[in-house]
Amino acid sequence: AQSVTQLDSQVPVFEEAPVELRCNYSSSVSVYLFWYVQYPNQGLQLLLKYLSGSTLVESINGFEAEFNKSQTSFHLRKPSVHISDTAEYFCAVSDHPGRLYFGRGTQLTVWP
Amino acid sequence: NAGVMQNPRHLVRRRGQEARLRCSPMKGHSHVYWYRQLPEEGLKFMVYLQKENIIDESGMPKERFSAEFPKEGPSILRIQQVVRGDSAAYFCASSPPPGQGFINEQFFGPGTRLTVL
Repeated sequence: AQSVTQLDSQVPVFEEAPVELRCNYSSSVSVYLFWYVQYPNQGLQLLLKYLSGSTLVESINGFEAEFNKSQTSFHLRKPSVHISDTAEYFCAVSDHPGRLYFGRGTQLTVWP
Repeated sequence: NAGVMQNPRHLVRRRGQEARLRCSPMKGHSHVYWYRQLPEEGLKFMVYLQKENIIDESGMPKERFSAEFPKEGPSILRIQQVVRGDSAAYFCASSPPPGQGFINEQFFGPGTRLTVL
C-alpha cells in the first residue's frame, strides 16, 4: 500500500503571498497523482492531476504541481493566494485501479 | 449533469443501531467507491464496486460493514450495530467505465456525517 505524507498540517499565509503545500509518497513505481480541495462541509473537488507526460500540471485557478519521480514528491504551489483559497488540501496517490491513498491533509488559511 | 449525490447528509444513531448510507453516482458512471474520513485524518479507502459486483473490498472492516451497488438504485454502505468509533464522514465517489475516461479520476459526493451517540 502507498503511504502519502503531507508534511504540514496547517499553513497560514497572507493574501497575495506565494504558497507551497508539500506532498511525498512512498513508492517510485508508476503512480498517478492528484490534489483535491475540500471546503467546509463539502466533498472533495479535484484540483489537478498527473497521469503521464509533462511533469508540471496546472489548474484553472492558478495552482500548479510538479511531479518529481526521484524525490517521490508532488508539491502544490501558487504564486499569489486569495482569501477564497482557504480550504483543506489533500494529496492522493493511486497505483492500483480504483484505490486512492490520501494524505492527512493541509489546512491552508489565507489572511487579509 | 448532477454530481455524485449522497444521503442523508447527516445521520445520528445510537450504539447498536444500523446505519444505512446511500450514494447515487454521476450519470454514466458505473463505478463507485466508498471512503471514510476520521476527524483530522485523510480519507481511507473502504471499497470499490461496479454494478452488482464488489471489485475491491480490501479497506472494509471485517465485521459489521457491508456495501452493495445493485443493478437498479443507489449504492448502499451498511453499518450494523454501530459503535462510537464509527463516527466519521463517509464519502462516496464515482468514475466512468474504462474506455470513457481514466478509471481512477474519481468524482466525490458531499459526504454523510455519521454521529454515533
